[in-house]
Parts: sequence; structure tokens; C-alpha cells
Amino acid sequence: EDQVTQSPEALRLQEGESSSLNCSYTVSGLRGLFWYRQDPGKGPEFLFTLYSAGEEKEKERLKATLTKKESFLHITAPKPEDSATYLCAVDSGGYQKVTFGTGTKLQVIP
Amino acid sequence: NAGVTQTPKFQVLKTGQSMTLQCAQDMNHNSMYWYRQDPGMGLRLIYYSASEGTTDKGEVPNGYNVSRLNKREFSLRLESAAPSQTSVYFCASAQSSYNEQFFGPGTRLTVL
Repeated sequence: EDQVTQSPEALRLQEGESSSLNCSYTVSGLRGLFWYRQDPGKGPEFLFTLYSAGEEKEKERLKATLTKKESFLHITAPKPEDSATYLCAVDSGGYQKVTFGTGTKLQVIP
Repeated sequence: NAGVTQTPKFQVLKTGQSMTLQCAQDMNHNSMYWYRQDPGMGLRLIYYSASEGTTDKGEVPNGYNVSRLNKREFSLRLESAAPSQTSVYFCASAQSSYNEQFFGPGTRLTVL
């Protein structure tokens, strides 16, 4: 059974204080790892897809990286508008299709 | 281009009542999904449709049925609602099961 664990559950940062969110996964065979952002009361919004170990993708202040066992979402010099819950999901092609983690709730304080 | 739309946004039901949640996408996607999101549980797949004309059970299908009406629309039906079905329901679509999913705004359902 595929498993996804995200840490920490919650993270509070000062504006400009860089940090990383972790997504550890156990799958039989990884087809893709996804990062989403979810604002309160809204549906998840797609950020990145990573397919193989060593791959990196960037978007503004966000950078996602992938190893064989985990992925990191690095946030550089965050702003208050980066406050959201960040979800990680893995696709192994199994009957569950995509398995989601429970998310990291990020709060950036001005 | 509205993306993925869901109706209704909010709903309150009494135990035993039935209802249908509607979902439509205008991105010409082949795959569509229904999830529920509960605190501390993450998103859990209820049913999915890999392509028009096919549907399959996900992780938590009991108490639900689905219909892929056409390529655009995928509905979720609760035949006899139970308090355990109180949740936020999200519909999503993707070009294929290999691709990223795009989510709707959600339906907040309370069953009393």
C-alpha cells in the first residue's frame, strides 16, 4: 500500500525566513510526485510534478526536489501570500491512483 | 475557461436523504475523480473515471455511486446519507491518469 507522510504538520515562519517542507513516500514504483497548494475553503492548486530522483523544478519562491524516498519543497524568502497548506501526492499506477499526504500548513508572518 | 466547476457549494442533509453532487470540466480531459477531504485524513479517492464510459472504485466507495454522463460531466450520488459522510467533496480532472489533476472549489456537505 502506498504511503505518504508530510512533515511538519504546521510551520510558522517570519517573512523572509527560508525553510523546507518534507514529503516522505513508500510506493511500489513511482510514476510521479505532485505538489499542490491549498488555500482555506478552496480546492488544491497544482504546483509541480517530479518524475525521477534528482529532478528539480522552480516557480517563483518555491523549489521542489526529489530523491528515491522523499521530496522537499523549499521556500526561499517567503511572503505572507505564501501562507497555505501544501499537499504532496504520489502516483504509483495502483488502484488508488494518486495517494495524498495530509499536508503542511504554512503560516508566514509579516 | 471555467476549469472544474461543482454544484452545490454547500448542502445540509438529514440522515437517509439522497442527493447528487455535480461536476463539470471544460478542459477536454479524459480522466475525472471524486475525493473527500476530512481533517487529519488527507484527500481520499471515492471513485474515478479513467475515460468516458468507465468508472472504478477508489479507496472509500461505500455509500456512493457515480455516473460519467459524458466526457465533461461526472456526478456523485449519495443514496442514503449518513453522518459519517459529512465532509468536503472535491471533483478533479486530468488529461490522463499520468497527468496532474485540476480540482474544483469543493462541496461542503453536512449530514445531520
